[in-house]
Amino acid sequence: NAGVTQTPKFQVLKTGQSMTLQCAQDMNHNSMYWYRQDPGMGLRLIYYSASEGTTDKGEVPNGYNVSRLNKREFSLRLESAAPSQTSVYFCASRGLLDAQYFGPGTRLTVL
Amino acid sequence: EDQVTQSPEALRLQEGESSSLNCSYTVSGLRGLFWYRQDPGKGPEFLFTLYSAGEEKEKERLKATLTKKESFLHITAPKPEDSATYLCAVHPSGGGADGLTFGKGTHLIIQP
Repeated sequence: NAGVTQTPKFQVLKTGQSMTLQCAQDMNHNSMYWYRQDPGMGLRLIYYSASEGTTDKGEVPNGYNVSRLNKREFSLRLESAAPSQTSVYFCASRGLLDAQYFGPGTRLTVL
Repeated sequence: EDQVTQSPEALRLQEGESSSLNCSYTVSGLRGLFWYRQDPGKGPEFLFTLYSAGEEKEKERLKATLTKKESFLHITAPKPEDSATYLCAVHPSGGGADGLTFGKGTHLIIQP
C-alpha cells in the first residue's frame, strides 16, 4: 500500500496563476481532508470530504476549491494564487481508530 | 472555540534523559485526542488515539495519557532517532467542520 500520495512535491507560482494539487489514497477510506501548515502555526483545515460526492468548508477555505473525483482522489485547486497561499499543503484520509493518515505534502511558493 | 496548546515549544534532552510533553485542550466535546510525529520535510505520522480520561497507550519508548483537560506524551530513555516535532490534535464531537484541531507542536531534540 502506498497510503496517501500527493503531487507535485514542490511548486512555484506567480501571483494570479492557477494550479491543482492532487491527492490519492489506496486505503479505501471514505473521509479525506486538505490542511495547510505555516511556520509558527498548527495545521489548519481547508476543506474536507466525508464521502464521494460531498465536500465541506473547513477553517480557512477562502481562495480554494476542491473536487472529490471518486473515492480515491481529492484535489485542491487555487484559481488565482496569492502570496498568502505560500504554505505546505497536506492531504489526509481517515481510517481505523478515527486516525487521519497524511501524505508527504506539497511545498508551494507564490511569488 | 476549540483550542490546543502544546508546551514546551522546544525541548533539548540528553540521550537517556526521560521527560514529558504537554498538550492542553479546550473543546466542547471530545471525540478523540491524537498524537503525531513529524520529521522535517515529511507529513505527520500517526502515533496514538486516546478517547477518554484515564486512558493510556504505549509504543516503544512513548506513552500517551489523557485527562479531562490535558494529555501527556512521556518519553522514556529517548534515543537520537526520537528527535522530531510532536503534534497533538483533537477531534471535537460537537457540530462544525469534521477535521482535527492541531497544536503548534513541540520540537524535541535528543543529543547523543
